[in-house]
Amino acid sequence: SQQGEEDPQALSIQEGENATMNCSYKTSINNLQWYRQNSGRGLVHLILIRSNEREKHSGRLRVTLDTSKKSSSLLITASRAADTASYFCATAEGGSQGNLIFGKGTKLSVKP
Amino acid sequence: DGGITQSPKYLFRKEGQNVTLSCEQNLNHDAMYWYRQDPGQGLRLIYYSQIVNDFQKGDIAEGYSVSREKKESFPLTVTSAQKNPTAFYLCASSMPSLSYEQYFGPGTRLTVT
Repeated sequence: SQQGEEDPQALSIQEGENATMNCSYKTSINNLQWYRQNSGRGLVHLILIRSNEREKHSGRLRVTLDTSKKSSSLLITASRAADTASYFCATAEGGSQGNLIFGKGTKLSVKP
Repeated sequence: DGGITQSPKYLFRKEGQNVTLSCEQNLNHDAMYWYRQDPGQGLRLIYYSQIVNDFQKGDIAEGYSVSREKKESFPLTVTSAQKNPTAFYLCASSMPSLSYEQYFGPGTRLTVT
């Protein structure tokens, strides 16, 4: 079952610009996470936001969560060519025992 | 050097053959997971295990089998019953009692011809 849906599917920006990706989900959640995947590699955890939090920061990353709209956004500020990757949101439902449901991802391309 | 290892990175098999993908972790995590990823798609859960000697089917378990005889190992067998086995397979682990964050291995790309 696919819970999160990222938008846009692909995003191309210039180095130094900000990149915003959105994620919508369907059911109530315990937390929402964002992961990054470089081409042909495993996923790397970026940030987790709990259902009772509205905003969280980590370095150049800013995540917001709106549980009333069942949506989240990931903002990468001052992007770099090294940020080029696919970004996935993943949700953990209440009582899920740690299982995550992943969206299809946003493919970000940052041009130098 | 802590983490999750998957081997091999690339695997080629003929149709009709079973194949086993290895996943080992030294993070002392209780839970382990197998996902399948097709081009341009998200991850779909195949099997997961919350504890040694116990595992559960995920969304797409048909044609796959697993075992969890040791805490650090969670091998996945892709059987000949899997209709479309060519894909990128990712293993992950977590400690749900502490955090929902999952740690991923580098993946195995399986090609069946």
